[in-house]
Amino acid sequence: GEDVEQSLFLSVREGDSSVINCTYTDSSSTYLYWYKQEPGAGLQLLTYIFSNMDMKQDQRLTVLLNKKDKHLSLRIADTQTGDSAIYFCAEVPTGGGNKLTFGTGTQLKVEL
Amino acid sequence: KAGVTQTPRYLIKTRGQQVTLSCSPISGHRSVSWYQQTPGQGLQFLFEYFSETQRNKGNFPGRFSGRQFSNSRSEMNVSTLELGDSALYLCASSKSGYPDTQYFGPGTRLTVL
Repeated sequence: GEDVEQSLFLSVREGDSSVINCTYTDSSSTYLYWYKQEPGAGLQLLTYIFSNMDMKQDQRLTVLLNKKDKHLSLRIADTQTGDSAIYFCAEVPTGGGNKLTFGTGTQLKVEL
Repeated sequence: KAGVTQTPRYLIKTRGQQVTLSCSPISGHRSVSWYQQTPGQGLQFLFEYFSETQRNKGNFPGRFSGRQFSNSRSEMNVSTLELGDSALYLCASSKSGYPDTQYFGPGTRLTVL
């Protein structure tokens, strides 16, 4: 299909790890991104991974890429209440230039 | 370094009017892209400008247009507004690569009454 898919909601307790999953469409996508959106705000770039990588770690964030299954995940370690937001994965399909194709977004709720 | 700025932050218009939104990219960035975000359709790509030329275009009607100036600032115009144009309009800038990492502004919230 043409849609980048994400689950709609995820609820975790503060201090636990969060894992947000994404299935993208184009196995040849060169860049895959994770963005965070807080209420009333724009998109904040969290991290990105090149298609020739399997994993990328950046402080509390770990991105895993499974190209065979076209599956991308974002793990947030030691999740805090400030991590509550909507998380979007995005791909740049082959030949898409700078045209980002976004997933539907996953709303992460962190409970005390 | 200052981030992407968008003006105005909020706009209220009535059906049939036109509107112009402005975006100033990060200093040194030459590419500006525009996206529309709505609850029903999510985030959709409108168009991208690079060196004052439209480099890529999404699937929006001709009522949506844009331009880029020599200082890389960009404007987006929507003519003959419809209720369905109510959305958050986001601008993103990147250096010059194709593709390249994009950084987003805070958006302009447009409400059409």
